[in-house]
Amino acid sequence: SQQGEEDPQALSIQEGENATMNCSYKTSINNLQWYRQNSGRGLVHLILIRSNEREKHSGRLRVTLDTSKKSSSLLITASRAADTASYFCATPMNNNAGNMLTFGGGTRLMVKP
Amino acid sequence: DAGVTQSPTHLIKTRGQQVTLRCSPKSGHDTVSWYQQALGQGPQFIFQYYEEEERQRGNFPDRFSGHQFPNYSSELNVNALLLGDSALYLCASSSGTGYEKLFFGSGTQLSVL
Repeated sequence: SQQGEEDPQALSIQEGENATMNCSYKTSINNLQWYRQNSGRGLVHLILIRSNEREKHSGRLRVTLDTSKKSSSLLITASRAADTASYFCATPMNNNAGNMLTFGGGTRLMVKP
Repeated sequence: DAGVTQSPTHLIKTRGQQVTLRCSPKSGHDTVSWYQQALGQGPQFIFQYYEEEERQRGNFPDRFSGHQFPNYSSELNVNALLLGDSALYLCASSSGTGYEKLFFGSGTQLSVL
């Protein structure tokens, strides 16, 4: 089974609204990453949050990490049609895995103009 | 600065055949990882190559093999193709094997008939 699981599996919102995606994982981690994928092509790294960080911002993105609950959330504010994509959380496969990652099943976001 | 390049972009094979996929990492990167992504799912780790050696393998049979060349480029070979091998194969590169982000290529879409 996958280490990270995203929720919801699919999300449809209007342009300008905020989108929140959640990720749960099973074992202790060193860091958690979020990636974006357009139309089933290559993934693009969005943000990395380390286990000693609780919140991180990058432009319109806000990521939180709660290691006690083994969960993370990705918030996209003021969404745009161009944000339509699949979003994946990823964690190291094990304690010594470095950047060998386990990905969740993804959240498919659709932003309607 | 070229990013991660993969070839070919699309490939159609029949059951039992063998296939070779190729990847050139981003300039300055020395580590290559391969992922398989089935339709509607998250990427699954196949293996990672560093210093021309397979560092770790995911839950994939020996039909999946790889190689890394002195210039850090890599090949993924799959023997005795099965229908279930149909997927998007993604190559990712990084500088080192630590807790760093991955840079992905656009993938090779393999269809096995």
